[in-house]
Amino acid sequence: AQKITQTQPGMFVQEKEAVTLDCTYDTSDPSYGLFWYKQPSSGEMIFLIYQGSYDQQNATEGRYSLNFQKARKSANLVISASQLGDSAMYFCAMKRTGNEKLTFGTGTRLTIIP
Amino acid sequence: KAGVTQTPRYLIKTRGQQVTLSCSPISGHRSVSWYQQTPGQGLQFLFEYFSETQRNKGNFPGRFSGRQFSNSRSEMNVSTLELGDSALYLCASSSGLAGGNAPTDTQYFGPGTRLTVL
Repeated sequence: AQKITQTQPGMFVQEKEAVTLDCTYDTSDPSYGLFWYKQPSSGEMIFLIYQGSYDQQNATEGRYSLNFQKARKSANLVISASQLGDSAMYFCAMKRTGNEKLTFGTGTRLTIIP
Repeated sequence: KAGVTQTPRYLIKTRGQQVTLSCSPISGHRSVSWYQQTPGQGLQFLFEYFSETQRNKGNFPGRFSGRQFSNSRSEMNVSTLELGDSALYLCASSSGLAGGNAPTDTQYFGPGTRLTVL
């Protein structure tokens, strides 16, 4: 079975600072994908970034980067130069080859302070 | 390209009624997945359809069902509604490359349908 753990229920960060959101996962599958989604108060889940289990380099997408440490089974999201619009819930998720099901963590509520 | 659309956005029903939610995937996407989000249980996978066939199913009672049409649009139905069915129901689509199930296949979500059961 797969499991995602997000240990930070809430975080407050000053605007323009960098922030790291923690995610650890547990799986016995050799091939899997890790995803981060942002959910504003409107409810829609917005895809941010993806990391494959066989990818050698950490994924980056604009201000978002994923700090992937396979041996430690962690996939932390780093947001550089945070903005007020980054205030939202952030979910880490994974799926394995052979199954479209996404397993989500409990999320981290990020609040950016002006 | 238009994103995933879900209708209706809001629904209020009473216990015992049934409800049908609709999802239109991104053009060209053949896989549609449904998730239930509640404050207590978080995000839980309901089922996934690919080419009109249910390919994966989560751990939900038989009151929850779905289907997919030839144009990849999907509906989910909840019969005999219970108070605990109040939730945000999210639909997601993906391309289903190479028959689907690739870990690289990103799911893109719709805005959700917020169901309230009174």
